Amino acid sequence: QKEVEQNSGPLSVPEGAIASLNCTYSDRGSQSFFWYRQYSGKSPELIMSIYSNGDKEDGRFTAQLNKASQYVSLLIRDSQPSDSATYLCAVNAWRTDKLIFGTGTRLQVFP
Amino acid sequence: ETGVTQTPRHLVMGMTNKKSLKCEQHLGHNAMYWYKQSAKKPLELMFVYSLEERVENNSVPSRFSPECPNSSHLFLHLHTLQPEDSALYLCASSQDFGGLSRTDTQYFGPGTRLTVL
Repeated sequence: QKEVEQNSGPLSVPEGAIASLNCTYSDRGSQSFFWYRQYSGKSPELIMSIYSNGDKEDGRFTAQLNKASQYVSLLIRDSQPSDSATYLCAVNAWRTDKLIFGTGTRLQVFP
Repeated sequence: ETGVTQTPRHLVMGMTNKKSLKCEQHLGHNAMYWYKQSAKKPLELMFVYSLEERVENNSVPSRFSPECPNSSHLFLHLHTLQPEDSALYLCASSQDFGGLSRTDTQYFGPGTRLTVL
């Protein structure tokens, strides 16, 4: 079982729709969760961090964490073509600051 | 701009060459990282330095040799690489490493695209 799992996609959504990106993780002790966006040929940039169960909103982005289900998601409202990128989920390994990354989900927003 | 710079941005080298990748962070962070990103694979952590001391070495072959002369600079020295080492090499930094509670956010540099012929 992969430590951090994401559907590789592509996930295709029309402009203006809600994009829902999902991530599951295997380490029950993980406490820190991150979503990064990576455009083709570029480096990852932080979208959101979340540490507590529930929702965290920042502009058009909402991160959702459910530690009991070992599940973290990212919702993008009013999706724009500029949101087309690969979204990486990262989770810390228990009792360390090492981040374990998923392979990423490729999102395509079409006009 | 994240405050983390890397040079060179692109590097082509033969298997017998020796080259170095450079990373510099302007964020006042205490921890720096080297990652390898290959196609279709998740980011792989290679090395972690905290306050200029290496604290993690993730079973990386000795042909990769890191150096951290101070908390703002990190190098990755390369020698006798293999074609399978071709990848995007990313440097990152965070405020601290090894905290007792939350993991600090890591900020990435633009990366060095390495091709080994």
